[in-house]
Amino acid sequence: DSGVTQTPKHLITATGQRVTLRCSPRSGDLSVYWYQQSLDQGLQFLIQYYNGEERAKGNILERFSAQQFPDLHSELNLSSLELGDSALYFCASSPTGTVNEKLFFGSGTQLSVL
Amino acid sequence: AQSVAQPEDQVNVAEGNPLTVKCTYSVSGNPYLFWYVQYPNRGLQFLLKYITGDNLVKGSYGFEAEFNKSQTSFHLKKPSALVSDSALYFCAVRFQGDTGRRALTFGSGTRLQVQP
Repeated sequence: DSGVTQTPKHLITATGQRVTLRCSPRSGDLSVYWYQQSLDQGLQFLIQYYNGEERAKGNILERFSAQQFPDLHSELNLSSLELGDSALYFCASSPTGTVNEKLFFGSGTQLSVL
Repeated sequence: AQSVAQPEDQVNVAEGNPLTVKCTYSVSGNPYLFWYVQYPNRGLQFLLKYITGDNLVKGSYGFEAEFNKSQTSFHLKKPSALVSDSALYFCAVRFQGDTGRRALTFGSGTRLQVQP
């Protein structure tokens, strides 16, 4: 168990809808990362937060947004969903978000857009 | 540009034999290199990392990796494979000059299949 909790584990929704994925980092970790894993794109970095502030941005679509709250949990909001958004979304955390730290990954949220 | 490549989609090896999972990288600076493993229906787990120092890095579950700067490679190795090593392996890279504006870049993954 990595200590990173993601909810829900599975999410099935329809095109055009909006969903929210939640992540609770390991106790004491200040940095949260979101990754998208799909068969055709592999593991793609979406966004990183550190102590409530956005630190790095990757291949995140404008329809997607995220935030990290004062209690350090994070939410990834996906809107106007398309079939191609179906993927496994991972959250990871690390103590300070510095370049040499290992990441601790949650078990992921499997999103299916029908 | 920062990138990492895993040239093999799948590696098959018999139990008890040595295994190698290949990784090459391209960064504009000194790299920080990582290996992660993903078991079915699980998140990624950290195996080992190279930051600086000895080119041979030892990690979890008996795995090791060798940093080769001239060949820009960071291959994952294990002397004797176990069936339980069967999983998806990811190589990842950052570089020391990174101010934090770019997160870990992952390779496409290599599926390791260890046959009994």
